[in-house]
Amino acid sequence: NTKITQSPRYLILGRANKSLECEQHLGHNAMYWYKQSAEKPPELMFLYNLKQLIRNETVPSRFIPECPDSSKLLLHISAVDPEDSAVYFCASSPGNERLFFGHGTKLSVL
Amino acid sequence: GDQVEQSPSALSLHEGTGSALRCNFTTTMRAVQWFRKNSRGSLINLFYLASGTKENGRLKSAFDSKERYSTLHIRDAQLEDSGTYFCAAEGAGYNKLTFGKGTVLLVSP
Repeated sequence: NTKITQSPRYLILGRANKSLECEQHLGHNAMYWYKQSAEKPPELMFLYNLKQLIRNETVPSRFIPECPDSSKLLLHISAVDPEDSAVYFCASSPGNERLFFGHGTKLSVL
Repeated sequence: GDQVEQSPSALSLHEGTGSALRCNFTTTMRAVQWFRKNSRGSLINLFYLASGTKENGRLKSAFDSKERYSTLHIRDAQLEDSGTYFCAAEGAGYNKLTFGKGTVLLVSP
């Protein structure tokens, strides 16, 4: 799927700050960040619908999303923790419909 | 408890055979999606159903909102079908998508 691009593809961090980026070329109104740990199902972190944020209240405050425009999504991470090691997927959908995922960013925390 | 119960958790098939995955829902869901996580880690959307059945190649999915279940049938399994399959159902809230725990499928020669 080249219509939802994420960068970087792999990320190895100590206790540093970093931002993940996502851009979708599908004209979708809704964009999401999901976290997938090990072989667990994806877990919704944040949802933007027409740039309005809906958050999962269980997500630690060190994760800060940003939606500069309707096709772009950022995830700022400050002072990562080992429990943050996971694959972070960006996703988008036209609205309350079919969900398309990017290829993910694999974060490894040292 | 879990709103989406997916089974089986693991499945082994020989090439050319088939089987079915199932998700049962504890509440009424308005739509279901099926995904495959392939060997490269990508999550591929296989189906979106608000009702009825859909077919795509060797895959066929059904969703019955009233009976609270969805199935994914795989026929003539190929090696590249190996991966982890997830169902995800949409409840009442906006885009409140709940994933099943997944089925790890291994297709062997």
